Amino acid sequence: DTEVTQTPKHLVMGMTNKKSLKCEQHMGHRAMYWYKQKAKKPPELMFVYSYEKLSINESVPSRFSPECPNSSLLNLHLHALQPEDSALYLCASSHYFPSTGSRTEAFFGQGTRLTVV
Amino acid sequence: DAKTTQPTSMDCAEGRAANLPCNHSTISGNEYVYWYRQIHSQGPQYIIHGLKNNETNEMASLIITEDRKSSTLILPHATLRDTAVYYCIVRVGGASGSARQLTFGSGTQLTVLP
Repeated sequence: DTEVTQTPKHLVMGMTNKKSLKCEQHMGHRAMYWYKQKAKKPPELMFVYSYEKLSINESVPSRFSPECPNSSLLNLHLHALQPEDSALYLCASSHYFPSTGSRTEAFFGQGTRLTVV
Repeated sequence: DAKTTQPTSMDCAEGRAANLPCNHSTISGNEYVYWYRQIHSQGPQYIIHGLKNNETNEMASLIITEDRKSSTLILPHATLRDTAVYYCIVRVGGASGSARQLTFGSGTQLTVLP
């Protein structure tokens, strides 16, 4: 299984709603990432989890709250979003092998297309 | 991580080789060159990576110049399904046990024409 599965594929939410995006992988990867991609722009890193601990937060507003409940699952909780937060949200995973110093390539999910109204 | 420069767009005829260049003149000795592509509205897909030797896999070939300041991704027989944005990324390999991020530049929009 070399897939990263993201749900839902599409989400429309109001500015007062609370919603969550979900990402799941069963490749045994211990690094998981959230990216945000606006139309016609490259993906931008938001958060990195390493061994279920938050290791990088790219100064993301607190209305985005990540969570990594176990090694296979990554959530992004959304609250009080703005219309400018509408974007494609991508999840990725990869793995680092300390014994050999090698790293797998990053696998990406197909993303959640979020529209804030 | 080193910065990369890629052309904004390129066209290629179906069945021909697509050669996508990337400049990374500030690359460090321990930095690898990675290529990903993103087909419209899908997640990025890993293609290939290398350090200093040329690399080939079932998808593409990667040619890295001897001074490592530039590289070329070659799709040997482009098809319509290869139409995508191609990202060249330079990043450190190995190193510490902490997770490392991919930093995407603007990429090259490759359009394969029938």
